[in-house]
Amino acid sequence: DQQVKQNSPSLSVQEGRISILNCDYTNSMFDYFLWYKKYPAEGPTFLISISSIKDKNEDGRFTVFLNKSAKHLSLHIVPSQPGDSAVYFCAASEGYGNKLVFGAGTILRVKS
Amino acid sequence: GAVVSQHPSWVICKSGTSVKIECRSLDFQATTMFWYRQFPKQSLMLMATSNEGSKATYEQGVEKDKFLINHASLTLSTLTVTSAHPEDSSFYICSAGGLLQETQYFGPGTRLLVL
Repeated sequence: DQQVKQNSPSLSVQEGRISILNCDYTNSMFDYFLWYKKYPAEGPTFLISISSIKDKNEDGRFTVFLNKSAKHLSLHIVPSQPGDSAVYFCAASEGYGNKLVFGAGTILRVKS
Repeated sequence: GAVVSQHPSWVICKSGTSVKIECRSLDFQATTMFWYRQFPKQSLMLMATSNEGSKATYEQGVEKDKFLINHASLTLSTLTVTSAHPEDSSFYICSAGGLLQETQYFGPGTRLLVL
């Protein structure tokens, strides 16, 4: 039973364009959501988070949108850069600081 | 962001031996540490959650007698894979969280290969 789903295994975007990564969840008790970036054979690196009291959080080129009624969140990266190429994981938790449930990840390739 | 280290970064061992992996938070006190496992091309699967000074809480399907977790201090947690078998070969990643931390911070991972 996948509580956090990333339905797109991969995404290819041209440098300078917007990358949109999507994530859906089923557990209505999740109230804290995070995005991580991961390179092969390395641990995930935290990018940005959002709590359920907000519907948008922005940090530089990264913006996360949360649609609670649809149980959907997305990560926007603009402008995309070749260095953004990595695997992006969506994660969710019940409460701040509690265990995370990860999606399967989306491979982002930014072409120059 | 905060720094979490893991040691060793990779290990090869014979079937039947035990392997210990260390996870350290270098610049903050980690009240909670998490251990994950990742198989190739799959997501991170939480194995257990450990709070400093108390017993770890294991996820369903994870054998607590096989994967021993100790969180003896606010900066160190260890995972011991006992009597390792080839099917235990995987990428093990720890993360650490503290009361003042926005998120969990992940270590670089440990690649385990059991022959």
